[in-house]
Amino acid sequence: EPEVTQTPSHQVTQMGQEVILRCVPISNHLYFYWYRQILGQKVEFLVSFYNNEISEKSEIFDDQFSVERPDGSNFTLKIRSTKLEDSAMYFCASTVQGSSQETQYFGPGTRLLVL
Amino acid sequence: GQQVMQIPQYQHVQEGEDFTTYCNSSTTLSNIQWYKQRPGGHPVFLIQLVKSGEVKKQKRLTFQFGEAKKNSSLHITATQTTDVGTYFCAVGSARQLTFGSGTQLTVLP
Repeated sequence: EPEVTQTPSHQVTQMGQEVILRCVPISNHLYFYWYRQILGQKVEFLVSFYNNEISEKSEIFDDQFSVERPDGSNFTLKIRSTKLEDSAMYFCASTVQGSSQETQYFGPGTRLLVL
Repeated sequence: GQQVMQIPQYQHVQEGEDFTTYCNSSTTLSNIQWYKQRPGGHPVFLIQLVKSGEVKKQKRLTFQFGEAKKNSSLHITATQTTDVGTYFCAVGSARQLTFGSGTQLTVLP
């Protein structure tokens, strides 16, 4: 069964450094999402992306964050200058058509630790 | 965006006991989804409910959508240790999902 993949699985970085988290959505999916989950808390929406544009973003997704689809397969989340509070699990997800009745398929996540 | 309250936050049960988690919204929902997250894992889709009063079953799991489409429940009959994890409801549009706070289920052998 096709699945969303994410790399790296773990990332440790110093505060103020830039990180790029990578995702490969399911190949025929057109809508892509990033979510984050601070340890022990709920999953929070960051951003959705369609047709090379941000479709919707949350308050969390400030100027320090950006997303990109640099090629036909990868979908990246960049955090420009990491803060301690950016430490979390970051999940990528994708859907075929972006319908509200579609299942979102989540990747295994990248655990980011900012020191 | 839409908000959804989920209770309880934690539930410890003996293996074989039943378990229920509830989600409530102040507004009418178009649909509600349920996800399970195993410890250290990622959310995995379980089911979606769309119709008022809908009831769906998956083996020992029973999902209900309220008549007013403002609440939903997930009930597990005769829990097993494999049921351990956090169960989230999720609502929203195509462009984002808003997750409930989750119910963390511990099953004691």
